[in-house]
Amino acid sequence: AQTVTQSQPEMSVQEAETVTLSCTYDTSESDYYLFWYKQPPSRQMILVIRQEAYKQQNATENRFSVNFQKAAKSFSLKISDSQLGDAAMYFCAWQGGSEKLVFGKGTKLTVNP
Amino acid sequence: GAVVSQHPSRVICKSGTSVKIECRSLDFQATTMFWYRQFPKQSLMLMATSNEGSKATYEQGVEKDKFLINHASLTLSTLTVTSAHPEDSSFYICSATVGGRQPQHFGDGTRLSIL
Repeated sequence: AQTVTQSQPEMSVQEAETVTLSCTYDTSESDYYLFWYKQPPSRQMILVIRQEAYKQQNATENRFSVNFQKAAKSFSLKISDSQLGDAAMYFCAWQGGSEKLVFGKGTKLTVNP
Repeated sequence: GAVVSQHPSRVICKSGTSVKIECRSLDFQATTMFWYRQFPKQSLMLMATSNEGSKATYEQGVEKDKFLINHASLTLSTLTVTSAHPEDSSFYICSATVGGRQPQHFGDGTRLSIL
């Protein structure tokens, strides 16, 4: 079965600094997608970034970028110039051919002013 | 674009009653909708996958008769928690996708409290 592991239950960062959230996954499929979702205290799930496994180029969305290492099955999220509004739970997720999302347990990010 | 509306956002009711939660895709047609349950400080647990016009596919361990899912149209799926009990209290979230492994877009969730 596919698994997604987020080894950091909690992380903190100073405002304006950079932080990296880790995610590893296990799969035997070769064609899949990886996601980072943000869940603020309002509990709305917000898509942060999406990576297609067959694309070698790392996805970026403004201050958010990923380091996708397919051979190592690693998919970390880097947040640059952290802002107070970035404070949230961050979930890494994997999607294979079935369209189902498999989520990690999440990392709680605190941004200190 | 890609807005998913979930209603109600909060429900408090007595044990034994049935509760219906609606999930609507407002600006796209959702061939597939998903229902998740989230316990406090935990991740999302997939309950079932719902396709328009067909029976929902439930994950292992999820009671079909307890959690009734109806995907009546390409923009609406409903989750009915039947004869709810305190242990059914949780946060329920739906998501919708146009299919083809396009991203899932999530509703704002429903906080269900059974007294």
